[in-house]
Amino acid sequence: DIHLTQSPSFLSASVGARVTITCRASQGISSYLAWYQQKSGKAPKLLISAASTFQTGVPSRFSGSGSGTEFTLTISSLQPEDFATYYCQQLNNYPLTFGGGTKVEIK
Amino acid sequence: EVQLVESGGGLVQPGGSLRLSCAASGFSISDHYMDWVRQAPGKGLEWIARTRNKPNSYATEYAASVKGRFTISRDESKNSVYLQMNSLKTEDTAVYYCTRRIGGSWAFDYWGQGTLVTVSS
Repeated sequence: DIHLTQSPSFLSASVGARVTITCRASQGISSYLAWYQQKSGKAPKLLISAASTFQTGVPSRFSGSGSGTEFTLTISSLQPEDFATYYCQQLNNYPLTFGGGTKVEIK
Repeated sequence: EVQLVESGGGLVQPGGSLRLSCAASGFSISDHYMDWVRQAPGKGLEWIARTRNKPNSYATEYAASVKGRFTISRDESKNSVYLQMNSLKTEDTAVYYCTRRIGGSWAFDYWGQGTLVTVSS
């Protein structure tokens, strides 16, 4: 199985801060990586697919990069509505796997 | 508008069975792979099952944790996907989400609201 390690697992940041979340895969997955945002009690929402393609309607402050085994999700200027848990997911091999999540909280 | 609506969750005893349904609207499931993802209380996301579309022979895939106990299926005439869950264990307690896969990047672009399955005596 491909293991995805997200770091940090928790971060506390202020509104306006630049935030970077890292996702490392235990083996190469090309660009078959997605990022999701999940707010409390809600279903996850797709933010980024194919490592760097943001979905229609997703604010441009979100960006993704990377390929192979190392990927990042960056929020250029954190907004109040961005406080949530973020997950990466690899789609290259079965079983499809998710990272453990990064909870972003208000500082 | 694309919508996925799950139903069928509830309380079941260990060893019991339950069938979840996912009614899709706003698109045809015949064009898409469809998946189930679950989330145990306070935990992360776990992919559990996939049904491919007709061009791919409706082939299925399962996570090891559910293989042999859960069966994913689809009824295109009802535009619905199902998850038959047998021999349920307490560790199957979770919110179960139905998802749709994008054709190009393979990510899950639409998710249902989820249905809670509680396995407890």
